[in-house]
Order: sequence, then C-alpha cells, then structure tokens
Amino acid sequence: AQSVTQPDIHITVSEGASLELRCNYSYGATPYLFWYVQSPGQGLQLLLKYFSGDTLVQGIKGFEAEFKRSQSSFNLRKPSVHWSDAAEYFCAVATTSGTYKYIFGTGTRLKVLA
Amino acid sequence: NAGVTQTPKFQVLKTGQSMTLQCAQDMNHNSMYWYRQDPGMGLRLIYYSASEGTTDKGEVPNGYNVSRLNKREFSLRLESAAPSQTSVYFCASSILSGGEGASYNEQFFGPGTRLTVL
Repeated sequence: AQSVTQPDIHITVSEGASLELRCNYSYGATPYLFWYVQSPGQGLQLLLKYFSGDTLVQGIKGFEAEFKRSQSSFNLRKPSVHWSDAAEYFCAVATTSGTYKYIFGTGTRLKVLA
Repeated sequence: NAGVTQTPKFQVLKTGQSMTLQCAQDMNHNSMYWYRQDPGMGLRLIYYSASEGTTDKGEVPNGYNVSRLNKREFSLRLESAAPSQTSVYFCASSILSGGEGASYNEQFFGPGTRLTVL
C-alpha cells in the first residue's frame, strides 16, 4: 500500500539557519510528489512538485526538494529560513493509476526562533 | 478568480444534528475532493469526485455523504453528527497536468471549515 512518512513531528530552527524536512514514501511505480505548506488557520499552498525529469526541483519562497529514488525520499530544503516560514509542511504522493488520489504525510510543524 | 471557496468557515453542532458543508471552484476543474484534518494524522480523504456525475469513497467515508451538484460544486453532508467528526474539513479541486507521457493531479485547496460537534 502507498504511504508517506514524515518522521519529524516538530522542528525548531533559528532564523537564518538552513532547513531540511524529511519525507519518505512507499509506492510501487514512479511517484508524483508534492510539498504543501499550511500557515495557521489557512488552507494548503503548493510549494513544489516532482513528476519526472530533473530530480532537484525548485519551488516558491526559496524552497527546493530532491527526489532520491534509491532512498525513496523527497526531502524539502531551504538554505536560510525566515520567520515567516513558520508553518506546517506536508509531503504528499499522488497515485498514478488514474484514481486521482493523494496520500499525505502527517506533517512537520516548523518553529522559527528569532 | 476566487479559486476554491468553502462555507461556512466555522460551525458548532450538537450530537445528532445534520449539516452540509459547501464547496465551489471557479477553475473549471473536473475533479473535487473532501478531506478532514486531525492533529497528528495529516489529511485523510473522505470522498472524491473524479468528474461531474461520479463520486467515490476515500479512506474515511463513514458518517458522510457527498453530492456533486454540477462541475463547480461539491457538498459534504453529515446526517447525524458525532463528536468524532470534530475536525477541520478541506475541499480541493484538481486538473490533470504534465508533460509528454506524464500526467499528474495538482490539487488546489480551499481555506477549510472548522467543525466542532458537542
């Protein structure tokens, strides 16, 4: 069965520090992978997506993610975190069998220290 | 272009009451979804509609019904609310996108409805 694991429930970093949020997936075929961000009281906003091609993808707000098939991972990174990045981050895999469903991870809540 | 809109934003119900959550999108998307979000559990799919006129169960459909009223609107009904249905509910819609030989399903989310069942 498909699944997405985000092993870190909470992460705290200082403003200006680098960030890496982990995501591991289990899926039999080539996955379509996404990272979403959710600010408090808001809906989900797409940060970036991967479906083929270059394994390093760039997103909005200075985020990037690298797809590593051998590790079944799609980790999200940012070289220098801003206070406004404090939010909850969700990794998701889209099934490619035509059933149009996403499977979400349980999320990582990011706290940024001034 | 409002994207995906949801009403109401907040709702408090008593156990056994019924209500309908409304969702509409103006992006001409074919597929629409209802999720619930609970602490520590991420988003779980309740129902989805791949296209107008079709609906299918997701991961947690019990206690819910849906109606795809037309291409724009997809409603979620709780016939007899229970405290276990206290959650934040998100509606989403999607297009199929991708390059040659590939297609994927980018979903756009509404702002959510926070429901409390007492």
